[in-house]
Amino acid sequence: KNQVEQSPQSLIILEGKNCTLQCNYTVSPFSNLRWYKQDTGRGPVSLTIMTFSENTKSNGRYTATLDADTKQSSLHITASQLSDSASYICVVSAGGGNKLTFGTGTQLKVEL
Amino acid sequence: KAGVTQTPRYLIKTRGQQVTLSCSPISGHRSVSWYQQTPGQGLQFLFEYFSETQRNKGNFPGRFSGRQFSNSRSEMNVSTLELGDSALYLCASSEARGDFNEKLFFGSGTQLSVL
Repeated sequence: KNQVEQSPQSLIILEGKNCTLQCNYTVSPFSNLRWYKQDTGRGPVSLTIMTFSENTKSNGRYTATLDADTKQSSLHITASQLSDSASYICVVSAGGGNKLTFGTGTQLKVEL
Repeated sequence: KAGVTQTPRYLIKTRGQQVTLSCSPISGHRSVSWYQQTPGQGLQFLFEYFSETQRNKGNFPGRFSGRQFSNSRSEMNVSTLELGDSALYLCASSEARGDFNEKLFFGSGTQLSVL
């Protein structure tokens, strides 16, 4: 069964600090791995999409890494801002199309 | 360009009723997919439509169905509602260029409560 596990479940950090969120997956056949940010009451917004051959991809203060051998990914947020408070969801696509397997997300709260 | 539009934003139904949710994709996008989000299960894939045909399907019972019109707008229907169907239903659209790595754009969802 395809699964995506994320850790930690929740995280509180001070504004300006960095943090790293983790994602482990068992999805086959692997097509790509995506990170989404979901604000409360809104739909998810795409941060990065990585294929098998990509090790790292950045989008502003967000940097995602992928280790396809160990089936692990991380999302690093640099110099956090209050607006980074949201749920971050790791998503893996298997075999193409939009049949995606979602992690349950990491709830991040950035405080002053 | 306008984003993905879902209507209604909120819906309250009782057990046994049926419901229809609507999704208008971004102009020019040909693929529409539907997802269910609950606090316990997170996001789960329901189905995807492309050119009025269901292209992929998740593991949901037949009570969940959908369709896509020639203008790419999509509807999702849930019949014989159960309490467990209470969830945020999200739709997403993509250009469907044939590139499996293309970005999905989500709507804000329809919050369905079944009493």
